[in-house]
Amino acid sequence: GESVGLHLPTLSVQEGDNSIINCAYSNSASDYFIWYKQESGKGPQFIIDIRSNMDKRQGQRVTVLLNKTVKHLSLQIAATQPGDSAVYFCAENIGSGGSYIPTFGRGTSLIVHP
Amino acid sequence: DTGVSQDPRHKITKRGQNVTFRCDPISEHNRLYWYRQTLGQGPEFLTYFQNEAQLEKSRLLSDRFSAERPKGSFSTLEIQRTEQGDSAMYLCASSLVSRTSGDNEQFFGPGTRLTVL
Repeated sequence: GESVGLHLPTLSVQEGDNSIINCAYSNSASDYFIWYKQESGKGPQFIIDIRSNMDKRQGQRVTVLLNKTVKHLSLQIAATQPGDSAVYFCAENIGSGGSYIPTFGRGTSLIVHP
Repeated sequence: DTGVSQDPRHKITKRGQNVTFRCDPISEHNRLYWYRQTLGQGPEFLTYFQNEAQLEKSRLLSDRFSAERPKGSFSTLEIQRTEQGDSAMYLCASSLVSRTSGDNEQFFGPGTRLTVL
């Protein structure tokens, strides 16, 4: 399943499918990007990050792709599990001088059906 | 549990009252951030500290809001004369910044949900 972020804030997939969550960021000067997972009643939890000198980074079951040309970020989750159900946010870093002050996107709700 | 704690978890108050929230970061972390999150939106940055120094404040942080981190450990966020528009989740996060690696992953607390009646 695939989302287009702001235009489709909910993504429903079946357990075992791959999920793709998309994010369009706004500032071409942003050089650091993070995906967060937020479960109900909890604060955001870091999933994976990527710097602007890379276009792909892989973690455990997750991959982040960065396309700076079109200012687009995606999070791919392999073999989605019910525990992956949450709201996913991308965040871009627009800080400078060593500060990191993320600007969060609106978020996409991922629902995984068993 | 990320190691960042916030108290209280929920606060209901009447318009015009003052409220204070507390955040206890991960003990070795030198940076502490406050965010506000409304339903369906991502967190919005309010302010951050490095040790006890408040280094940056968002324009979202009106004069009614004040934050402190007096000993470089826990932090408090006070809202004076609360308004209904202040109803939100207030999140705290901490991180460890070093000379070699710069700022690192932020660990978020569970948040304090404020309801202003």
